[in-house]
Amino acid sequence: DAMVIQNPRYQVTQFGKPVTLSCSQTLNHNVMYWYQQKSSQAPKLLFHYYDKDFNNEADTPDNFQSRRPNTSFCFLDIRSPGLGDAAMYLCATSRGGNRGGEQFFGPGTRLTVL
Amino acid sequence: TQLLEQSPQFLSIQEGENLTVYCNSSSVFSSLQWYRQEPGEGPVLLVTVVTGGEVKKLKRLTFQFGDARKDSSLHITAAQPGDTGLYLCAANQAGTALIFGKGTTLSVSS
Repeated sequence: DAMVIQNPRYQVTQFGKPVTLSCSQTLNHNVMYWYQQKSSQAPKLLFHYYDKDFNNEADTPDNFQSRRPNTSFCFLDIRSPGLGDAAMYLCATSRGGNRGGEQFFGPGTRLTVL
Repeated sequence: TQLLEQSPQFLSIQEGENLTVYCNSSSVFSSLQWYRQEPGEGPVLLVTVVTGGEVKKLKRLTFQFGDARKDSSLHITAAQPGDTGLYLCAANQAGTALIFGKGTTLSVSS
């Protein structure tokens, strides 16, 4: 089945230790998104790629970076995680030609910062 | 600033009851989606509505898009414990990123 896959599902890191979260998709969608979601809140968009075109949200901290080496894969790098970065990180995709509209989410990676 | 307001924020009901969740805005949207998210999982798309006045049904769930495409409602008939989760509405205008409401946390007890 076509899907969005996130690895790992659970990630524990130490304060200040860089961490990378991975997302892959078999939907062949042009657009990939990274969201941060804290408990019982709506997902907050960090950035998205439209093909190779990177779009950063204005309030996304510089501590968060992303890479998209090809259509299928996208990575979220947190350079120096703080306690406030503990959250669920969601990857999502949508079809080309549609920056909004229907998005298909992965299961998320729960990040714990010690 | 586009804003999607969801209400209620929290809802706790007994199995078999009916409920309605609302999603309102002062902006006109080209499409609106409803997602359901279970604890520890990503949101799952339930429905997309695009036409003003549109009504879609998904088993016991009924979704309606307002005539002016500014608001939407989700009605659940005879709620079951399996309906428990976070319900998110999300919408966009053409060419803009999706914006999310703050969500409605539904708890259905047996």
